Amino acid sequence: TQLLEQSPQFLSIQEGENLTVYCNSSSVFSSLQWYRQEPGEGPVLLVTVVTGGEVKKLKRLTFQFGDARKDSSLHITAAQPGDTGLYLCAGLKPDSSYKLIFGSGTRLLVRP
Amino acid sequence: ETGVTQTPRHLVMGMTNKKSLKCEQHLGHNAMYWYKQSAKKPLELMFVYSLEERVENNSVPSRFSPECPNSSHLFLHLHTLQPEDSALYLCASSQDTGTGGEQYFGPGTRLTVT
Repeated sequence: TQLLEQSPQFLSIQEGENLTVYCNSSSVFSSLQWYRQEPGEGPVLLVTVVTGGEVKKLKRLTFQFGDARKDSSLHITAAQPGDTGLYLCAGLKPDSSYKLIFGSGTRLLVRP
Repeated sequence: ETGVTQTPRHLVMGMTNKKSLKCEQHLGHNAMYWYKQSAKKPLELMFVYSLEERVENNSVPSRFSPECPNSSHLFLHLHTLQPEDSALYLCASSQDTGTGGEQYFGPGTRLTVT
């Protein structure tokens, strides 16, 4: 069974701090996506990374796919209260074009 | 309306009730999905439809019955549920089932079974 482990599970930081969230697996994925979910809402797609070693930036968010396509990280610079939410990573199984394996999420709280 | 919408947003039902969840996508997509999100567990894929044809049933109990009358609408019919079925039920859509997984989610229906 393919699993995605996310760490940390919870993170509470002060506005302006930097943070990194990790998503790890022993299995290879065709691609990996990051979502943010706010209370009472569904997950919103932030980015998709496809190539091993790929780095994508979305304003203050930097996403990296591991060289072996087994892990990924999300780095937030100068976090703001609006970044508060549940961050989910999801890997696409190599034998499927639509089956996503989701991590259990990192709940981030950015205090003003 | 834009994106993916779901109704109702909240639902409380007894174990003997029958109810339906509705999802509508306004993105022109051909694939639709039902997921279950329980506390402290990763999102679980339940069903996948491609062009109104079910292509995935992820070992879901028969008390959950999906229906996809067209590529824009998806229903989840519920009957004789158990308390452990209480969860957030999320609908998602994608361009098709071959687009590498980029899925767009609705806001979910928070279901409580009493």
